[in-house]
Amino acid sequence: DAKTTQPTSMDCAEGRAANLPCNHSTISGNEYVYWYRQIHSQGPQYIIHGLKNNETNEMASLIITEDRKSSTLILPHATLRDTAVYYCIVRFNTGNQFYFGTGTSLTVIP
Amino acid sequence: EPEVTQTPSHQVTQMGQEVILRCVPISNHLYFYWYRQILGQKVEFLVSFYNNEISEKSEIFDDQFSVERPDGSNFTLKIRSTKLEDSAMYFCASSEETGYTFGSGTRLTVV
Repeated sequence: DAKTTQPTSMDCAEGRAANLPCNHSTISGNEYVYWYRQIHSQGPQYIIHGLKNNETNEMASLIITEDRKSSTLILPHATLRDTAVYYCIVRFNTGNQFYFGTGTSLTVIP
Repeated sequence: EPEVTQTPSHQVTQMGQEVILRCVPISNHLYFYWYRQILGQKVEFLVSFYNNEISEKSEIFDDQFSVERPDGSNFTLKIRSTKLEDSAMYFCASSEETGYTFGSGTRLTVV
């Protein structure tokens, strides 16, 4: 089962930062935090992942709290194409399955 | 950017028929997976495959399902006798050791 808790839905104004929270209070020391998104019924798309340090790539930033019990995905300048379901997933880093929860449905509003 | 390719994009089959869903993973990846998503529901894990054998499978992956890597490039999911409840999007994924890359999926409709 999914080991994360996310809000069911969020709205964000176009051009503003979207901050998507995730709670993973039972995360173990070797588990990574992954973020994926799914647009309509397309295949899930990798966004970013991290262990304990904050991470940034061309798509987003990942902020992980010091106790690792929660994290926030930040889309710095949301566009209409960022409207999707965002999944926060924790897992060990090698070869294991992902447990998808229900995710957060993000709607970017013009 | 390397992609995971799935064919066909949409398959319609009659109940009781066998169906094979095909996937071409990213060439240097070592781990392969099948997931499914019934309309309006979560993405669910079916099976993982590593070193030419199943490494993990879910309760969904019963005797009606099988996977194969027949030629070193393709990765297939076979459903022997399809049921109405097998109608879903089926996603293939591959990975080295870290994050997956998913394909765009095959929509299977059983009528």
